[in-house]
Amino acid sequence: DSGVTQTPKHLITATGQRVTLRCSPRSGDLSVYWYQQSLDQGLQFLIQYYNGEERAKGNILERFSAQQFPDLHSELNLSSLELGDSALYFCASSVREWDEKLFFGSGTQLSVL
Amino acid sequence: AQSVTQLDSHVSVSEGTPVLLRCNYSSSYSPSLFWYVQHPNKGLQLLLKYTSAATLVKGINGFEAEFKKSETSFHLTKPSAHMSDAAEYFCVVNPGGGADGLTFGKGTHLIIQP
Repeated sequence: DSGVTQTPKHLITATGQRVTLRCSPRSGDLSVYWYQQSLDQGLQFLIQYYNGEERAKGNILERFSAQQFPDLHSELNLSSLELGDSALYFCASSVREWDEKLFFGSGTQLSVL
Repeated sequence: AQSVTQLDSHVSVSEGTPVLLRCNYSSSYSPSLFWYVQHPNKGLQLLLKYTSAATLVKGINGFEAEFKKSETSFHLTKPSAHMSDAAEYFCVVNPGGGADGLTFGKGTHLIIQP
């Protein structure tokens, strides 16, 4: 167990809807990273937060947004969902602002029907 | 631009035989290279990391990888496969910088035959 908790584990929704994925990092970790894993694109970095502030941005769509709260948990909001957004969304955490050793949660499987 | 290519999408070996998972990288700089493992229904876990201190890197669970600059390769090996090694393995490159630089390969699915 990595210590990173993601909820829910599975999410089924319809096109056009909005969902929120939640991540609790390991105790003491200040950085949170979001990744999207799909069969065709592989693992893609979306966004990183450190101690409440955005630190790095990857291939995140404008329909997607994230934030990190004072208690350090993070939420990834996906809106106007499309079929192509179906994927496994991972959250990872690290102690430092940037660390190549990331601790991953077990992911949220999103299915858009 | 940096990239990694995992040469095999699937590798099947018998339990007790050697494992070889191949990875080639492309980077304009001296990169950091990693292997991560993803067991079914689990998140990714760091296996090992190369950062230029030594070309042969030992990781967890008996895995090791050798950095060969002349061949731009970072292949992952294990002398004797165990059933618990069945998982997806990702080769990762980071040429420097932060989280937006970390580039994952497409993954190699390792199957262990009894």
